[in-house]
Amino acid sequence: KNEVEQSPQNLTAQEGEFITINCSYSVGISALHWLQQHPGGGIVSLFMLSSGKKKHGRLIATINIQEKHSSLHITASHPRDSAVYICAVKGNDMRFGAGTRLTVKP
Amino acid sequence: EPEVTQTPSHQVTQMGQEVILRCVPISNHLYFYWYRQILGQKVEFLVSFYNNEISEKSEIFDDQFSVERPDGSNFTLKIRSTKLEDSAMYFCASSGLSRKPTSYEQYFGPGTRLTVT
Repeated sequence: KNEVEQSPQNLTAQEGEFITINCSYSVGISALHWLQQHPGGGIVSLFMLSSGKKKHGRLIATINIQEKHSSLHITASHPRDSAVYICAVKGNDMRFGAGTRLTVKP
Repeated sequence: EPEVTQTPSHQVTQMGQEVILRCVPISNHLYFYWYRQILGQKVEFLVSFYNNEISEKSEIFDDQFSVERPDGSNFTLKIRSTKLEDSAMYFCASSGLSRKPTSYEQYFGPGTRLTVT
């Protein structure tokens, strides 16, 4: 069983749509990361959170520790948001989800 | 803006050879990490390093792997005798300005693509 599950695996949206990516985990954690991996392979950290909610521009991340669940939302999506979004949890070490491939069409 | 750098961007080596992958973390960061991503698979944690010693390592990080911070700026990953299955993208990351690494985001380097033939 994967310790970090993401859904959906693939997501295609039209420009302007509101997007939600989900992450569930089964281990105790001290923090959860949302990462963005571009087609060239580079990884950018979007958020690190251990409770509540964080917002950067059009991106919002929430976490529910009791339910072991986090969501990443993108408002007013744009083609440049197309990337793989990865959830990673920090327990004894870092465990990564398989990623959600997002494609935003103009 | 400060960034993590990695060299080389692509390394091709023959099976059995030793490779050293180099990283320059962000200045003043205290925690350093190596991850790998085999093509088409998820990112995997290898090792974390703090205060000149390994703080955590995964089951992947066996005796073939070692890490070192040889001076005040570089952080290296050595693979002693490469195998075909070591072919992957290797990412370095750094974090933390204090002793609470979970409080700080990790900053990733661009990666080194290792190809073992």
